[in-house]
Amino acid sequence: GQNIDQPTEMTATEGAIVQINCTYQTSGFNGLFWYQQHAGEAPTFLSYNVLDGLEEKGRFSSFLSRSKGYSYLLLKELQMKDSASYLCAVRASNNAGNNRKLIWGLGTSLAVNP
Amino acid sequence: GAGVSQSPSNKVTEKGKDVELRCDPISGHTALYWYRQSLGQGLEFLIYFQGNSAPDKSGLPSDRFSAERTGGSVSTLTIQRTQQEDSAVYLCASSSRAVTDTQYFGPGTRLTVL
Repeated sequence: GQNIDQPTEMTATEGAIVQINCTYQTSGFNGLFWYQQHAGEAPTFLSYNVLDGLEEKGRFSSFLSRSKGYSYLLLKELQMKDSASYLCAVRASNNAGNNRKLIWGLGTSLAVNP
Repeated sequence: GAGVSQSPSNKVTEKGKDVELRCDPISGHTALYWYRQSLGQGLEFLIYFQGNSAPDKSGLPSDRFSAERTGGSVSTLTIQRTQQEDSAVYLCASSSRAVTDTQYFGPGTRLTVL
């Protein structure tokens, strides 16, 4: 089967650093996405990794290890507005070669406290 | 338009009625996805359209659900004989064949079945 695992909830303090992990088991791999979703809003795109290594974008960085089926999202200098759910999603190939559909994790709800 | 739009933003209906939800994707995006998200839950894939190919309907929960995409652009999701368990936020996303093929989401339609 195809599966994505991420922690259900995390808490952190304003100004700190937090790492949200995501592990996946899929039949193939063609990219991993992180999205942010504030309560009552739609998901918004944060980052994309397809090669091993770290992608940095301002306060947010995302890491990928394809051999380990593992990614993390690193949030630095946390702000109250970073309180949201963070979704990990993988594009996996299927037998029909239709690999545009994403497999979604259930999301990690991050609470940033003052 | 600049982003994905959906209408209506909110829909309240009575059990047994039919509803239609509309999605206008980003201009030029060839792929369109429908998802459902219940309160506090993850994204549930419903259906995926890609150009002129047959849609991937593998996520539709029952035959009361159907969707079409006219002219490769606007899509309508129809739920017949609505049930209370259909209450959720229905999200639409679109993507292009760009390098990352990132999905961009509309604001969603909140459906409440009384």
